Amino acid sequence: LAKTTQPISMDSYEGQEVNITCSHNNIATNDYITWYQQFPSQGPRFIIQGYKTKVTNEVASLFIPADRKSSTLSLPRVSLSDTAVYYCLVGFCHFYGNNRLAFGKGNQVVVIP
Amino acid sequence: KAGVTQTPRYLIKTRGQQVTLSCSPISGHRSVSWYQQTPGQGLQFLFEYFSETQRNKGNFPGRFSGRQFSNSRSEMNVSTLELGDSALYLCASSLDRPSYGELFFGEGSRLTVL
Repeated sequence: LAKTTQPISMDSYEGQEVNITCSHNNIATNDYITWYQQFPSQGPRFIIQGYKTKVTNEVASLFIPADRKSSTLSLPRVSLSDTAVYYCLVGFCHFYGNNRLAFGKGNQVVVIP
Repeated sequence: KAGVTQTPRYLIKTRGQQVTLSCSPISGHRSVSWYQQTPGQGLQFLFEYFSETQRNKGNFPGRFSGRQFSNSRSEMNVSTLELGDSALYLCASSLDRPSYGELFFGEGSRLTVL
């Protein structure tokens, strides 16, 4: 099972770019990498997903190096409302058979005014 | 479009009892997966159901079980509760496999075992 490791917490000032890294050394060939955001008393919410290189959407970018053993979520110009826990998820994408899923323990990001 | 609904939101049980939690997925979603969230272990995958069949299972003891009905609603059951089962139990639905695309989570059922 692909195990994920993330730093526990980090602080950032409003308006800065925040980069959060997740290590997944034993990621398998068919595993996708997905990031979720969670606010207190709510379920996680999808941010972005990728397989390799770079993916960008309206809220974040995801950088995945060639060896895919880590990934970096980049949040541009964070605001106070971005204070949350961020999880990376590595999962085997296969319709039939064993869908392996492993969440990281999450990274608490605190945005400071 | 209604989101994922979990019931009950909060419950308190004592050791040795059993508990059943319910999850109603987003309309049209056929995959329902369950997760246990604790401060020490983070989010851990319990199992996933698709079209009434358990497709995948995480590394939890047999006391944790689940099922899915023909309308995609799902229940999970924990028997012989232990103090360590106190956690937030999250359910998520998706169109297909939970490892690809977007998972839609409910707000969770917070279980306290005394």
